[in-house]
Amino acid sequence: QQPVQSPQAVILREGEDAVINCSSSKALYSVHWYRQKHGEAPVFLMILLKGGEQKGHEKISASFNEKKQQSSLYLTASQLSYSGTYFCGTEGLAGGTSYGKLTFGQGTILTVHP
Amino acid sequence: DARVTQTPRHKVTEMGQEVTMRCQPILGHNTVFWYRQTMMQGLELLAYFRNRAPLDDSGMPKDRFSAEMPDATLATLKIQPSEPRDSAVYFCASGLLPGGTNYGYTFGSGTRLTVV
Repeated sequence: QQPVQSPQAVILREGEDAVINCSSSKALYSVHWYRQKHGEAPVFLMILLKGGEQKGHEKISASFNEKKQQSSLYLTASQLSYSGTYFCGTEGLAGGTSYGKLTFGQGTILTVHP
Repeated sequence: DARVTQTPRHKVTEMGQEVTMRCQPILGHNTVFWYRQTMMQGLELLAYFRNRAPLDDSGMPKDRFSAEMPDATLATLKIQPSEPRDSAVYFCASGLLPGGTNYGYTFGSGTRLTVV
C-alpha cells in the first residue's frame, strides 16, 4: 500500500524550517527520500534502514520510527534550491520478491520564496 | 557521474499504435524498475527486475503492457495497443541491492508519452 505524506504542500520563506511526514500502514524495512524538481527526474536524498535512525544531508535530515512505521524529513534554514516535490518511498518487511520494492507516497510540494 | 539512460525522451503517438521505451541501467546495478508518473496517481510501480529476472509486474495492465530485460544493459517497456489514458511520464530507475545505507535508486530522465 501507498504511504501517506503530509502536508501536501508547504510554502516557506528562505531561512524557515519545514517537516514532511511519511506514514505507512505496514511494517517497514526501509524508507527512502527523493526530491523532484519540475520537469526532472526524482533524485535520491537518503535512505533509512533502522528503527530510530536519523541521518543528515547538508541541512536536510530525516528520522525513522520503526515502531510507528513513520519517517519525517527535516529541512532547516531552507534555501531557494530546496523547492521541489519531496517523495518518500517505503519498502516493506515481507522480503522475497518484495525486497527492494519501493512504493512512493503522493509527494509534498515545497516552495521556498526569497 | 553514472546515469540511467532512457529513450526516447518524448513520444507522441496515435491511439492503437505500439510504443516501445528503452532504458540502459547503470553498469553493475542489479535491480531495475519501471515507474509511471501522472498528476492523479503520482509515481506508480509498473514492474521491476533483479538480475534480469522479473520479480513483480502486478502494477502493469497485463493485456497491453509488457516489460523485459533482454540483457543486463537494456530494459524495455512496451505498450500495445496504446490508449490516451497511457499518457504519462515513464521513468526507469536502477539500483544495487543490497546497497547499504548510502545507496538509493537512480532515475533516468523519463519518457514523456502522449497518446492522441
